[in-house]
Amino acid sequence: GQQVMQIPQYQHVQEGEDFTTYCNSSTTLSNIQWYKQRPGGHPVFLIQLVKSGEVKKQKRLTFQFGEAKKNSSLHITATQTTDVGTYFCAGPAGGTSYGKLTFGQGTILTVHP
Amino acid sequence: DAGITQSPRHKVTETGTPVTLRCHQTENHRYMYWYRQDPGHGLRLIHYSYGVKDTDKGEVSDGYSVSRSKTEDFLLTLESATSSQTSVYFCAISGAGGYTQYFGPGTRLTVL
Repeated sequence: GQQVMQIPQYQHVQEGEDFTTYCNSSTTLSNIQWYKQRPGGHPVFLIQLVKSGEVKKQKRLTFQFGEAKKNSSLHITATQTTDVGTYFCAGPAGGTSYGKLTFGQGTILTVHP
Repeated sequence: DAGITQSPRHKVTETGTPVTLRCHQTENHRYMYWYRQDPGHGLRLIHYSYGVKDTDKGEVSDGYSVSRSKTEDFLLTLESATSSQTSVYFCAISGAGGYTQYFGPGTRLTVL
């Protein structure tokens, strides 16, 4: 079945350093989404990318969708302690849709002040 | 945040007992999902619903059943809880036409 892999699983950075997490799908995706989960919280939708090669920015966060629509990345410039949490990518699950998503395992980001 | 609530928020139960978790939405969204989250496994889909009384299995459905008798409510039942079902359970909703999902606050379940 479809697999969505994320690396790294953990990332520790000093405040002010940059951070990148990568997402790879075993199949071509019609879109990819990114979610953030703060410690003790629930996943919150960040963004959806649809077009091949698409790049979107949200303040210090830059999201990219690969040309082949099988990979994506999230880059955070100059991390802050508020960036702490787990970042998930997710793509539409194969087979019958019904809005189902397959989530990557997530990257846990720790920011040291 | 979307109008999604989960109850209870925390529950401790014993092996072999039945447990029902409730998800309630006020968004009138068609699709509803139950996930479990465990360290190292991310979010795994248990069951989902694509309409009232329309449900189907996800990737980790063994030991779980669901029901949806109203648009706003989606129930997850553990018929006979086991320690391997200790987890955090999230409900999510999605509207027709898109995949964006909105999550509830979660239920932390401990099975002793």
